Amino acid sequence: KQEVTQIPAALSVPEGENLVLNCSFTDSAIYNLQWFRQDPGKGLTSLLLIQSSQREQTSGRLNASLDKSSGRSTLYIAASQPGDSATYLCASADSGAGSYQLTFGKGTKLSVIP
Amino acid sequence: NAGVTQTPKFRILKIGQSMTLQCTQDMNHNYMYWYRQDPGMGLKLIYYSVGAGITDKGEVPNGYNVSRSTTEDFPLRLELAAPSQTSVYFCASTPEASRTPQFQETQYFGPGTRLLVL
Repeated sequence: KQEVTQIPAALSVPEGENLVLNCSFTDSAIYNLQWFRQDPGKGLTSLLLIQSSQREQTSGRLNASLDKSSGRSTLYIAASQPGDSATYLCASADSGAGSYQLTFGKGTKLSVIP
Repeated sequence: NAGVTQTPKFRILKIGQSMTLQCTQDMNHNYMYWYRQDPGMGLKLIYYSVGAGITDKGEVPNGYNVSRSTTEDFPLRLELAAPSQTSVYFCASTPEASRTPQFQETQYFGPGTRLLVL
C-alpha cells in the first residue's frame, strides 16, 4: 500500500525567501506525482503534475522535481509572497486495484510573513 | 463551465440520521471520486466511479454508499450518521484516467461539504 509523507508539517518564512517543500512515497511504481494547493475552507487546486518519465515541471515561480528511485519529490517556490500562504498537498497516482487513484500526504502548511 | 459543484456547503446531523451529499460536474468527465479529509490529515478515498453505472470502493468505504446513474452526478449517501463521519467531504473528477503519459490529467475538485455529526 502506497504511503505519502510530507515534511515539514508547517513552515513559516519571511516574504521574498525561496523555499522547498518535501514529499516522499514508499512505492515507486507510480503514474505521476501531483502537487495541489488548498486554501482554508476551500477545495484543492492543481499546481503541477509530473509524469513518471519526467524529472521536473515548472509553472511560474513553482518548480517540482521527481526522483522515483529515491521515492522523493520536491516543490520549490521562488521569491515567496504572502499570497502563497496555504496548505500544499502532494499526491501519487497509483494503480491500486487496477484503477487510477491518488494517495495524498497530510500536507505542509505554509505561512509567508510580509 | 461551473466545474465540480457540491451541495450542501455545511450540514449538522444527529447520530443515526441519514443524508445525501450531492456532486455534479459539467465537464463530461468519466471518472469521479469521493474523498474525506479529517483535520490535519490528507484526503482518503471513499468511493470512485469510472463511468455511469460503475462504482467501486476506495480506502474507507464503510458507512457510505454511492450511485452513478448519469455521467454528471455522483451522490454520496450516509445511512446512519456517526460522530466518526464528522469530516470535510470532497468530490473530484477527471476526464479519463489513462495510464499513457500524453493523456494524464489531474483531478478537478469541488469546494467541499463540511459535515458535523453530533
